[in-house]
Amino acid sequence: EIQLLESGGGLVRPGGSLRLSCAASGFTFDTYAMSWVRQAPGKGLEWVSGISGPGGTTYYADSVKGRFTISRETSKSTLYLQMNSLRAEDTAVYYCACGYPRFDYWGQGALVTVSA
Amino acid sequence: EIVLTQSPGTLSLSPGERATLSCRASQSVSSSYLAWYQQKPGQAPRLLTYGASRATGIPDRFSGSGSGTDFTLTIRRLEPEDFVVYYCQQYVTSPGTFGQGTKVEIK
Repeated sequence: EIQLLESGGGLVRPGGSLRLSCAASGFTFDTYAMSWVRQAPGKGLEWVSGISGPGGTTYYADSVKGRFTISRETSKSTLYLQMNSLRAEDTAVYYCACGYPRFDYWGQGALVTVSA
Repeated sequence: EIVLTQSPGTLSLSPGERATLSCRASQSVSSSYLAWYQQKPGQAPRLLTYGASRATGIPDRFSGSGSGTDFTLTIRRLEPEDFVVYYCQQYVTSPGTFGQGTKVEIK
């Protein structure tokens, strides 16, 4: 069974940083592209970032380019999202997803709240 | 960026009825790159269909169809657990984009 478990969410002040982690299991991690998708409270879905299976290619939405960095650690079957210069509009549930650009499996999400 | 517009915003139906959800794209999208997701309250989205294919474990009452700029998710006979929110997504261009969602509610 494929499982994706996010961690690292929380409350952060505007301009601050946070790193999300996603522990993957149930599939061969290094053969799948992975993504982060977010959902602001009461809103729809927004793709944030993706990374190829071997990790050599990364993709970012314009709204986070230059502030967020996606990476993966194959030995730990873990996906990361380093978020810097956070803004109020980054407040959302962040989902880790297996696949890019289509999202075949999703984690339960991590809430990130950016507020003073 | 391709904009996807879903209609209606809310669909009121009874269990056992057929649901037809629409997703219209601002420019032509290959049907192979159009997906539908279901999201239950408090849960993560789940992939339902991509192109004309169903994702693993998805009941056959769900089907995706369409071409060009007009796409449809059909739920053949609504079960109680189907009264939730549905999103379409195109991924033929980067960035892939989502529609704003259709909520299916019990009439």
